[in-house]
Amino acid sequence: QKEVEQNSGPLSVPEGAIASLNCTYSDRGSQSFFWYRQYSGKSPELIMSIYSNGDKEDGRFTAQLNKASQYVSLLIRDSQPSDSATYLCASKFSGGGNKLTFGTGTQLKVEL
Amino acid sequence: ETGVTQTPRHLVMGMTNKKSLKCEQHLGHNAMYWYKQSAKKPLELMFVYSLEERVENNSVPSRFSPECPNSSHLFLHLHTLQPEDSALYLCASSQDRGSGIVSHEQYFGPGTRLTVT
Repeated sequence: QKEVEQNSGPLSVPEGAIASLNCTYSDRGSQSFFWYRQYSGKSPELIMSIYSNGDKEDGRFTAQLNKASQYVSLLIRDSQPSDSATYLCASKFSGGGNKLTFGTGTQLKVEL
Repeated sequence: ETGVTQTPRHLVMGMTNKKSLKCEQHLGHNAMYWYKQSAKKPLELMFVYSLEERVENNSVPSRFSPECPNSSHLFLHLHTLQPEDSALYLCASSQDRGSGIVSHEQYFGPGTRLTVT
């Protein structure tokens, strides 16, 4: 069973701090990784994709991938209350065709 | 309209009803997906259509029947549902292959909140 694991949280950080969200995956052959943000009652919104080892930055978001450790993370700098949401990690496993496997998500709370 | 749209946004149906969910994507993608999202559970992939052919069916009960008449439209036909089928049903699309561009990034519609009474 190929899986994506996330701590469900909630992760609470103060406004302006760096939020660090983590995800591990079971398939060493995975090549593609995605972070989605989901506000309560809404659908998931793609915020980052990463395919290569290292860091990828987009505004206040940085995705980090370490394939050797089978670990992918999302850093949110200068966290804002509007960042409060559930963050879903997803991976396209090798041999999985179009399929993305999602984690259960980490709930982030940014407090004033 | 842009992106992925879904109708209806909310649906309440009895166990003996028949209804359909509709999804339309305006992104020029060639793959479309149905997911089920229940509380405290990961997104569950139900069906995948690539180039209008069903390529995945994850042991979904026959009371759910998908239809993909073209690459922009996807339907989920519902009949004799059970209360445990109450969930958020999400449609997504991606560019699978062709045109030399492959992206596994999936873009979701707003979802249909389904309640089965």
